Amino acid sequence: TQLLEQSPQFLSIQEGENLTVYCNSSSVFSSLQWYRQEPGEGPVLLVTVVTGGEVKKLKRLTFQFGDARKDSSLHITAAQPGDTGLYLCAGEILGSNYKLTFGKGTLLTVNP
Amino acid sequence: GAVVSQHPSRVICKSGTSVKIECRSLDFQATTMFWYRQFPKQSLMLMATSNEGSKATYEQGVEKDKFLINHASLTLSTLTVTSAHPEDSSFYICSANGGPKMYGYTFGSGTRLTVV
Repeated sequence: TQLLEQSPQFLSIQEGENLTVYCNSSSVFSSLQWYRQEPGEGPVLLVTVVTGGEVKKLKRLTFQFGDARKDSSLHITAAQPGDTGLYLCAGEILGSNYKLTFGKGTLLTVNP
Repeated sequence: GAVVSQHPSRVICKSGTSVKIECRSLDFQATTMFWYRQFPKQSLMLMATSNEGSKATYEQGVEKDKFLINHASLTLSTLTVTSAHPEDSSFYICSANGGPKMYGYTFGSGTRLTVV
């Protein structure tokens, strides 16, 4: 069973469009992270959210953590070709001793 | 910021040989390191948790005798793929956590293993 459901798995949009990626679980997370990964490289941390209801912004990216700390979303405004990549959500389940559970990832392609 | 160095970045080996991959935390001590495997266009799959000074904890379905993990110091963990076969070809990534105050994890740049 997939503990962290991430959707959509694939997304192809035009430059300038907005998009939202979702991560949902039935488990409570002590923290949740969003990563971006380029081909052939390791994931790079974008943001960590730890408080229920928390909203963080990173330029055109907005991250939300659900009130119950079971879900999160990533919203990108006015996407650019440079945003193309694999976006991964990962959560540290409460009591798991720092072990991360990853979603399946969202492969985003932004076309010029 | 925290840096994790993973080496080598690419390796090609013959079937039946063993390959060692190193993961080093450069500017922090990591009591726990994690090893992942990733197939093309897919997410990371946790293979094992490496604990400094003790035996690694392997995820279900991961052969501990095939994927040997050693975490001999607070800055170094190694993954050895023993008697490699073509099906072991994959992208292997390590990550390290610096402790309770270090939310998020720092990942190495990955190792592309190709077994021929």
